[in-house]
Amino acid sequence: GAVVSQHPSWVICKSGTSVKIECRSLDFQATTMFWYRQFPKQSLMLMATSNEGSKATYEQGVEKDKFLINHASLTLSTLTVTSAHPEDSSFYICSARDQTYEQYFGPGTRLTVT
Amino acid sequence: AQSVTQLGSHVSVSEGALVLLRCNYSSSVPPYLFWYVQYPNQGLQLLLKYTSAATLVKGINGFEAEFKKSETSFHLTKPSAHMSDAAEYFCAVSPSGNTPLVFGKGTRLSVIA
Repeated sequence: GAVVSQHPSWVICKSGTSVKIECRSLDFQATTMFWYRQFPKQSLMLMATSNEGSKATYEQGVEKDKFLINHASLTLSTLTVTSAHPEDSSFYICSARDQTYEQYFGPGTRLTVT
Repeated sequence: AQSVTQLGSHVSVSEGALVLLRCNYSSSVPPYLFWYVQYPNQGLQLLLKYTSAATLVKGINGFEAEFKKSETSFHLTKPSAHMSDAAEYFCAVSPSGNTPLVFGKGTRLSVIA
């Protein structure tokens, strides 16, 4: 089946620094990728929809200047958390959609901001 | 707007017992419905999906779900629970194949030996 990878799987950073998370579709092309955020023991909340070659579409309440999304190729989308603060600590999950509109999820990235 | 309600944030069953995880949806159009499983510190794995074909959908690991339009439900079942089924389960809805998924709050399944 289709595989989506995320890197890093976990990261610890200091408050005020920026962190980049990569999401890759390994064996298929994904014109659309999604970024989700999950707090402990809670559901996934859609942050943004990333379309290859165009600007991401952010959900209401998500700061686009804080969560920078780049989808430069059909197999790679990146999420950069800029000037991270402790409240940004969370589990970030991406998914990639193939041509049949099936969504495949990455394993997630645990971000801890100290 | 689409929404999903999962009844019961935590369900506990004995090994070998029936598993029933409830999901009700709200959608203005015939929806696509999904069940995902999440193990600790991992991403989501698709168990099964309904896309307007057969109302009884069979998935992986012995799970199945039945789409009941009259009840706006898509409950997940498994005849006999296994210890390895212990995980978080999410029901999700999408009004069409090319729109983002909307997730329920999740149900944590515990399996007791």
